[in-house]
Amino acid sequence: GNSVTQMEGPVTLSEEAFLTINCTYTATGYPSLFWYVQYPGEGLQLLLKATKADDKGSNKGFEATYRKETTSFHLEKGSVQVSDSAVYFCALNGQNTDKLIFGTGTRLQVFP
Amino acid sequence: DARVTQTPRDKVTEMGQEVTMRCQPILGHNTVFWYRQTMKQGLELLAYFRNRAPLDDSGMPKDRFSAEMPDATLATLKIQPSEPRDSAVYFCASGSGTGGVDTQYFGPGTRLTVL
Repeated sequence: GNSVTQMEGPVTLSEEAFLTINCTYTATGYPSLFWYVQYPGEGLQLLLKATKADDKGSNKGFEATYRKETTSFHLEKGSVQVSDSAVYFCALNGQNTDKLIFGTGTRLQVFP
Repeated sequence: DARVTQTPRDKVTEMGQEVTMRCQPILGHNTVFWYRQTMKQGLELLAYFRNRAPLDDSGMPKDRFSAEMPDATLATLKIQPSEPRDSAVYFCASGSGTGGVDTQYFGPGTRLTVL
């Protein structure tokens, strides 16, 4: 079945450091891929998405590229801020299905 | 800025009591999801509806949980009787689509504590 694997956290960085959070997936067909972010005490917010191979999703300085050859959708940001501290979830949505399959989440802590 | 709303935001109750959580999906969205989040299990899909009809409730404990959509603007999740192991954050999400929902929009959640 479909599944998502993301790196264990927490990821601890200093402000302005480069961020990578790895995400790989297993799926049949051509899923859509998502990154959601959850700030403390809040619900999940869509950060970015990509719906086909080689698409790059981007938002608020974050980027992720849909790599079908490596079944990956790694999240990157060139310079993190303290306000980026949150839990990041990678997710996939199979073709013609409604269900999102989530990874376990990666907590990011950014210190000044 | 359209948002999913959930009430209450926090609920503390005693074991055996009935709990009702409410969700107002984004206007125009025809699909509503209920999730539960715990440290141990992460995010679990409990049930979801399309056009107010239940499509999948396989993730929901049938003996004590029930989910309904009385109308297009209200979804409810009830637990009766509640147990301490039901303590979690419950999220509602909504989306639209006919061949499958592409993007889900989440509410702020209801934090349930069962003593």
